[in-house]
Amino acid sequence: KNQVEQSPQSLIILEGKNCTLQCNYTVSPFSNLRWYKQDTGRGPVSLTIMTFSENTKSNGRYTATLDADTKQSSLHITASQLSDSASYICVVSGGSYIPTFGRGTSLIVHP
Amino acid sequence: DSGVTQTPKHLITATGQRVTLRCSPRSGDLSVYWYQQSLDQGLQFLIHYYNGEERAKGNILERFSAQQFPDLHSELNLSSLELGDSALYFCASSVLGTMNTGELFFGEGSRLTVL
Repeated sequence: KNQVEQSPQSLIILEGKNCTLQCNYTVSPFSNLRWYKQDTGRGPVSLTIMTFSENTKSNGRYTATLDADTKQSSLHITASQLSDSASYICVVSGGSYIPTFGRGTSLIVHP
Repeated sequence: DSGVTQTPKHLITATGQRVTLRCSPRSGDLSVYWYQQSLDQGLQFLIHYYNGEERAKGNILERFSAQQFPDLHSELNLSSLELGDSALYFCASSVLGTMNTGELFFGEGSRLTVL
């Protein structure tokens, strides 16, 4: 069964600190992995899309890594800002017609 | 702004009623996807339309139906509403006919509250 597990479920950090969110998946075969940011009550917005051959991809202060061998991805946020408070969703495609969504990690950044 | 427009933004109705949610995709996008997000739940795929034709169904209840019109806008119809149908309903669009490649652009959602 295709599954995407994200950890931690929630995370609280202080402004300016770094943090790393994890995504483990069992989707096979693998096509791509996407990270989305979803502000409370808003629609998800794409941060990165990574294919099998990509190990690292950055988008400003967001850096995603992918280890296709261990089926793990991480999203690292550098120098967090209050606006980073959101849910971060990992989505993996390839195992079926419908991508598999993780339940998200809720990040709260405190001043 | 993703370019995907959803209306209404908020909707409050009673059990047993029927509502219609509307989605206009980004200009040029042929695919429209509908998702449901209940409180503290992940996004659940409901249905996918490509250029007017149904492409895939997810965990969509029989009380729910959708269609995509010739101008590519889509409507999600929810009938015989139950308390558990209260959720955020998102529409997304993409150029391609599959969710597995390229980028999905999400609307801001329609928040449905069933009392």
